[in-house]
Amino acid sequence: GAVVSQHPSRVICKSGTSVKIECRSLDFQATTMFWYRQFPKQSLMLMATSNEGSKATYEQGVEKDKFLINHASLTLSTLTVTSAHPEDSSFYICSATSGTSYNEQFFGPGTRLTVL
Amino acid sequence: QKEVEQNSGPLSVPEGAIASLNCTYSDRGSQSFFWYRQYSGKSPELIMFIYSNGDKEDGRFTAQLNKASQYVSLLIRDSQPSDSATYLCAVSFTGTASKLTFGTGTRLQVTL
Repeated sequence: GAVVSQHPSRVICKSGTSVKIECRSLDFQATTMFWYRQFPKQSLMLMATSNEGSKATYEQGVEKDKFLINHASLTLSTLTVTSAHPEDSSFYICSATSGTSYNEQFFGPGTRLTVL
Repeated sequence: QKEVEQNSGPLSVPEGAIASLNCTYSDRGSQSFFWYRQYSGKSPELIMFIYSNGDKEDGRFTAQLNKASQYVSLLIRDSQPSDSATYLCAVSFTGTASKLTFGTGTRLQVTL
């Protein structure tokens, strides 16, 4: 149980284009989904917290107009990187929690974004 | 600022030995503590979580929590080369609901 999928696993795009990443909880309803970014040899950095049907809460320093998050249902959240630039190249990982008492987060496999 | 600290390593242990990974956290009111394993180029995988003082065992893994010392550790018995990875400690701080704060991780190398 507790499987989270992400699509695509890898994407290469030109500078200035937008990229959409999907995160799905496959066998449970995710009350909350999280989006992280991880640069090489660094730890996970939380970008935003997303609850179904409400606006995402962004961490300090994360531009909400650049990283658009839509949490349309209890099993799907999307992250759109708008007007991507080379410095946005990173490993983007989503996670989901079903709202149990201990708030375990289950991670998707990640999306490696390369902006040329 | 709420922090989670880990030694970055690498921690090198021979195959079959016990690996001991440590983590300290800043918020005394923290409630839930998690250990994740991350292989290079992959996303984190939940190993186990603990919320009460003491030990919690799951197979070859034992999590230890000492809230008075604000310290949580992970022991890996009979270490295998496949255990070589980065181990991330994560803490749910008071008042942050389900949000986790991650340490920078400790890289474990199990040698033959």
